[in-house]
Amino acid sequence: DSGVTQTPKHLITATGQRVTLRCSPRSGDLSVYWYQQSLDQGLQFLIQYYNGEERAKGNILERFSAQQFPDLHSELNLSSLELGDSALYFCASSVGTRLQETQYFGPGTRLLVL
Amino acid sequence: EDKVVQSPLSLVVHEGDTVTLNCSYEVTNFRSLLWYKQEKKAPTFLFMLTSSGIEKKSGRLSSILDKKELFSILNITATQTGDSAVYLCAVGPSGGGADGLTFGKGTHLIIQP
Repeated sequence: DSGVTQTPKHLITATGQRVTLRCSPRSGDLSVYWYQQSLDQGLQFLIQYYNGEERAKGNILERFSAQQFPDLHSELNLSSLELGDSALYFCASSVGTRLQETQYFGPGTRLLVL
Repeated sequence: EDKVVQSPLSLVVHEGDTVTLNCSYEVTNFRSLLWYKQEKKAPTFLFMLTSSGIEKKSGRLSSILDKKELFSILNITATQTGDSAVYLCAVGPSGGGADGLTFGKGTHLIIQP
């Protein structure tokens, strides 16, 4: 158990809908990262937040957005969902922003868009 | 664009064998290379390598980084069925100042009893 929690575990929804995925980082970690893992693309970095502020963006679609709240939990919002958005979404956390600090992954949310 | 290529994609061996997994990379601003083990859930951290030529070891697993040739290997000796998993190699940063990681597609390792 990494100490990173994610809810829900599974989510099934229809195309065009909007969903929110939630992540609580390990106690003391200020950075939260979101990743998407699909069969064809592998694990891809989406976005990073540090202490409430967006720090960096990776391959995140405009239909997706995220935020980090004062209690440091984070939410990833996915809207206008398409079949291709079906994937496993991971949240990871680390103490700071430097890569020398290991990122610890949560158990993931499996999203299925029908 | 940063790139990480792992080989082989899949490997089936017998319990007790030694395996070597490969990871080559191209990244604009290399800082670290990380190895993760992924079973049917989240990736779990194995090693982080930042300096060339230094071997990191943990029990039967070891890894080394060659920054000149831009690759790393992960060795597993005396394999056990519990080693069956997808092994992911990642490098960072992801580019554009991000501290995210660029992952390879992984090596799917199957250990047969």
